[in-house]
Amino acid sequence: GAVVSQHPSWVICKSGTSVKIECRSLDFQATTMFWYRQFPKQSLMLMATSNEGSKATYEQGVEKDKFLINHASLTLSTLTVTSAHPEDSSFYICSARDRLGGVNTEAFFGQGTRLTVV
Amino acid sequence: AQSVTQLGSHVSVSEGALVLLRCNYSSSVPPYLFWYVQYPNQGLQLLLKYTSAATLVKGINGFEAEFKKSETSFHLTKPSAHMSDAAEYFCAVKGNTPLVFGKGTRLSVIA
Repeated sequence: GAVVSQHPSWVICKSGTSVKIECRSLDFQATTMFWYRQFPKQSLMLMATSNEGSKATYEQGVEKDKFLINHASLTLSTLTVTSAHPEDSSFYICSARDRLGGVNTEAFFGQGTRLTVV
Repeated sequence: AQSVTQLGSHVSVSEGALVLLRCNYSSSVPPYLFWYVQYPNQGLQLLLKYTSAATLVKGINGFEAEFKKSETSFHLTKPSAHMSDAAEYFCAVKGNTPLVFGKGTRLSVIA
């Protein structure tokens, strides 16, 4: 399957600082990428859908000014957690859909980023 | 709208025994269905998917799932559990929205 690389794998930051997480499709182009949040022992919650060259679509209840998403190229989307607080600590996972695969193909997932805000 | 229900948040089986993880879905359009596996602190790996072709789908690592429209089910099975199968398993459905995940089932394999 296709490879999606997420960086960093884990990060610890101080409360009030910002953290950027990168999601890259390594061997395919992705016009659409997805950002999920996963709390311990829970399922994935879709935060936003990122479309290359346009604004992200956020799910209800997700603060777009706090979780900034940029999808500037066909292989890279970034999620920036601004002014992070301890309650933002979570596991963040991205996925990317192959541009050539069509809208109903599966999305490939990154390995996730464990964010801890202290 | 789509939704997924995974019955049983935790399933425990003996090594070599049958694995059965249950998934029921709801979808207003013909669905695409997926099973993913997640190991601790890792992303999701696709096990198999149903995309309206054969109703019995074979995936990686010996897993398979059968789409049953009359029962709105897509249960995951494996004839013989291996210790390395211990992980979290997620069923997901896609219709006219992004993937919607179930709450997951943790599979434990006892030696």
